[in-house]
Amino acid sequence: GDSVTQMEGPVTLSEEAFLTINCTYTATGYPSLFWYVQYPGEGLQLLLKATKADDKGSNKGFEATYRKETTSFHLEKGSVQVSDSAVYFCALTQTDSNSGYALNFGKGTSLLVTP
Amino acid sequence: DGGITQSPKYLFRKEGQNVTLSCEQNLNHDAMYWYRQDPGQGLRLIYYSQIVNDFQKGDIAEGYSVSREKKESFPLTVTSAQKNPTAFYLCASTVGKGRGETQYFGPGTRLLVL
Repeated sequence: GDSVTQMEGPVTLSEEAFLTINCTYTATGYPSLFWYVQYPGEGLQLLLKATKADDKGSNKGFEATYRKETTSFHLEKGSVQVSDSAVYFCALTQTDSNSGYALNFGKGTSLLVTP
Repeated sequence: DGGITQSPKYLFRKEGQNVTLSCEQNLNHDAMYWYRQDPGQGLRLIYYSQIVNDFQKGDIAEGYSVSREKKESFPLTVTSAQKNPTAFYLCASTVGKGRGETQYFGPGTRLLVL
């Protein structure tokens, strides 16, 4: 079945450092890809998405490019802030329509940004 | 404001008790989903519903039940058959049924066993 693998955390960075969180996927079909962010005790918020190969999703300084050839969707940000501290989830829409296009999530990567 | 509401924020369950988690949306979304989140884990799908009066089991449906009598409401019941119910439960909805549709999440309910 479809699956998502993302790098283990926690990731600790100093403010203004460059961020990369790796995400790779396995899918039998052609999924859409998402990054969600979760702040402590809250639900998930969509950060960005891409629906076809070579699409770049971007939001709030974060970017990720849908790479079909490497089955990857790595999250990057050029200069992180303390307020970016959260858990980041990579996800794909299951390609089996019998699943109602539910999301298949990675395990999440915790990011801590220190001043 | 439009959005998804979940209640209560915290819920305590006693041994052998059924409890119901509420999920309401005023976004006029067609599809709704329930996910379970355990510490250090991703979210796992419990149930989903694409239209009123219809719902389907997800990956971990055992010990749970749902109903979809109204478009805006998708309550989840955690039954006594669910032996390890302690988790964070998240409800989501999406406007359409396509693979590119964004899912919007509620704030979650944390269920604890007494």
